[in-house]
Amino acid sequence: QQQVKQSPQSLIVQKGGISIINCAYENTAFDYFPWYQQFPGKGPALLIAIRPDVSEKKEGRFTISFNKSAKQFSLHIMDSQPGDSATYFCAAIGTRFFGNEKLTFGTGTRLTIIP
Amino acid sequence: ETGVTQSPTHLIKTRGQQVTLRCSSQSGHNTVSWYQQALGQGPQFIFQYYREEENGRGNFPPRFSGLQFPNYSSELNVNALELDDSALYLCASSLGGQHTGELFFGEGSRLTVL
Repeated sequence: QQQVKQSPQSLIVQKGGISIINCAYENTAFDYFPWYQQFPGKGPALLIAIRPDVSEKKEGRFTISFNKSAKQFSLHIMDSQPGDSATYFCAAIGTRFFGNEKLTFGTGTRLTIIP
Repeated sequence: ETGVTQSPTHLIKTRGQQVTLRCSSQSGHNTVSWYQQALGQGPQFIFQYYREEENGRGNFPPRFSGLQFPNYSSELNVNALELDDSALYLCASSLGGQHTGELFFGEGSRLTVL
């Protein structure tokens, strides 16, 4: 079953706080896990991504934590800002076999940062 | 370096009609994938084209078809439109065969079927 489960569906965080979004997957063929940020009326924009050979990746205020044994990964947004208000999608893709490089997306988390 | 561009941005069709959506891939990218995003949902994979051939297909009926041209631009065609086809159609480009997993999306074409 090529499914990625994402939670929560919506999240409200105060400015300056930490936003945390969680995802879980089943398919062990997945070997690349990106997060996309999408603003209303726009296409998804690649935010940060991780491969399963590392447990954490940090880029600025954004951190991915990865637990290979539990098949879970999460996005942490530190010092959350109103401009971070958007819908966030986790995704997974298997890159080892060309022709199977399709992203499987989670259902999305609508993040709202309040002042 | 130009990004992924899609046209038209918005269009309205009636049930039973046909539609063609267009995509220009990011400079240097030879692979184009199409996704359908229904309102409030994550994008769903439709199909992928590499060097003008279909290279993978999701769970969509044959009335969804596509083309890729020698310049790597692509078209998505949908025949016999149904109300449930109303969605944002996203094109993503990538460099095929590099096993990077990196896909870059356009802004999408918003299709409304009445």
